[in-house]
Amino acid sequence: QKEVEQDPGPLSVPEGAIVSLNCTYSNSAFQYFMWYRQYSRKGPELLMYTYSSGNKEDGRFTAQVDKSSKYISLFIRDSQPSDSATYLCAMSGNQAGTALIFGKGTTLSVSS
Amino acid sequence: GAGVSQSPSNKVTEKGKDVELRCDPISGHTALYWYRQSLGQGLEFLIYFQGNSAPDKSGLPSDRFSAERTGGSVSTLTIQRTQQEDSAVYLCASSPRTGPDGYTFGSGTRLTVV
Repeated sequence: QKEVEQDPGPLSVPEGAIVSLNCTYSNSAFQYFMWYRQYSRKGPELLMYTYSSGNKEDGRFTAQVDKSSKYISLFIRDSQPSDSATYLCAMSGNQAGTALIFGKGTTLSVSS
Repeated sequence: GAGVSQSPSNKVTEKGKDVELRCDPISGHTALYWYRQSLGQGLEFLIYFQGNSAPDKSGLPSDRFSAERTGGSVSTLTIQRTQQEDSAVYLCASSPRTGPDGYTFGSGTRLTVV
């Protein structure tokens, strides 16, 4: 079992839909949870960052972390065609400089 | 520029040749990371630099892979005797701090070994 599991999709939704993206993990030492967005032939860019459990909201994006279930989610409200990209979850422990462990990414397509 | 710059953006090489990939981090960023993104595999950690030192090189897949960083700035990832399984996008990220939230990724070098 990989440390981080993420359904690769693809996921196709109409404009305006609510999108739910999820990852599960096995390492209970993970404390930092991130969501990255990656457009084709570009590097990943950080969307959301959460420490430990809880929710975090930023505009149309909401990140949720449930450490008891080892499950994290990213919700996108009122999805736009510009949200079409690959979404990667990433996690790490507490040590300084520790590497991020990434999911394989979910490819999202939002049609207008 | 304001971002992380990687060169070349694309590299096609013959099996068995050596390649060098370059990363210019954001000025002042002390932490630098190399990752590899293979088709269907997600991003895999290769090596982490803090200044010119590499406290974590645990992700380098074999002794054909090496990396250095000079002047606390530019980093070079070298792959010797390239193999077809080395074909991937090699991504560099830099950060002003050691926490996981400060990464800025470059656009990567797409390496194809033929």
